[in-house]
Amino acid sequence: NSKVIQTPRYLVKGQGQKAKMRCIPEKGHPVVFWYQQNKNNEFKFLINFQNQEVLQQIDMTEKRFSAECPSNSPCSLEIQSSEAGDSALYLCASSLTANTGQLYFGEGSKLTVL
Amino acid sequence: GDSVIQMQGQVTLSENDFLFINCTYSTTGYPTLFWYVQYSGEGPQLLLQVTTANNKGSSRGFEATYDKGTTSFHLQKTSVQEIDSAVYYCAMRDWSSGSWQLIFGSGTQLTVMP
Repeated sequence: NSKVIQTPRYLVKGQGQKAKMRCIPEKGHPVVFWYQQNKNNEFKFLINFQNQEVLQQIDMTEKRFSAECPSNSPCSLEIQSSEAGDSALYLCASSLTANTGQLYFGEGSKLTVL
Repeated sequence: GDSVIQMQGQVTLSENDFLFINCTYSTTGYPTLFWYVQYSGEGPQLLLQVTTANNKGSSRGFEATYDKGTTSFHLQKTSVQEIDSAVYYCAMRDWSSGSWQLIFGSGTQLTVMP
């Protein structure tokens, strides 16, 4: 039973549309990760936060993707202009520290870009 | 570069069969190794981890030994059940580009027939 809550479970967008996903990390976990999992089950790290600060993000995230983890609000990942190649399962995970491999994942938000 | 290799994309077994899933890793450091399991429609969840070389991790009847000599972390279970059907990922915590990353293998889809 996931304690990391992701919404929505499913998103369908047209190319060029915005897509926004939200994540509530497990209580007490200050570190949040976003991963993209493609149809071949491959994981791609996108960005991580400690509290409200970005720790690391990949180049893709810096361009069309934006993310934030505001205080007292859900974290979010937004794709400004969706492309077909963005169709994937977006997984949010949280952890107690940034250097652990023990991540607690949500069920994901499945994005389909038509 | 650092990597985690799972050669078996799919494994099909019958109930009570022995399970063996290959995993090898490549790194210049001393990684912490993990097995994650992802059931259909859910996010990945941690199955087991091992921090120290030549140690064994075990959970829910699964076990894996961190073998530094062969750089392997194979997953085993003596007697699988239908409920074990899922995708299993080997993962490695790795220092990359100035931060800790979790590198996942490509996953092994296990199907257990009743």
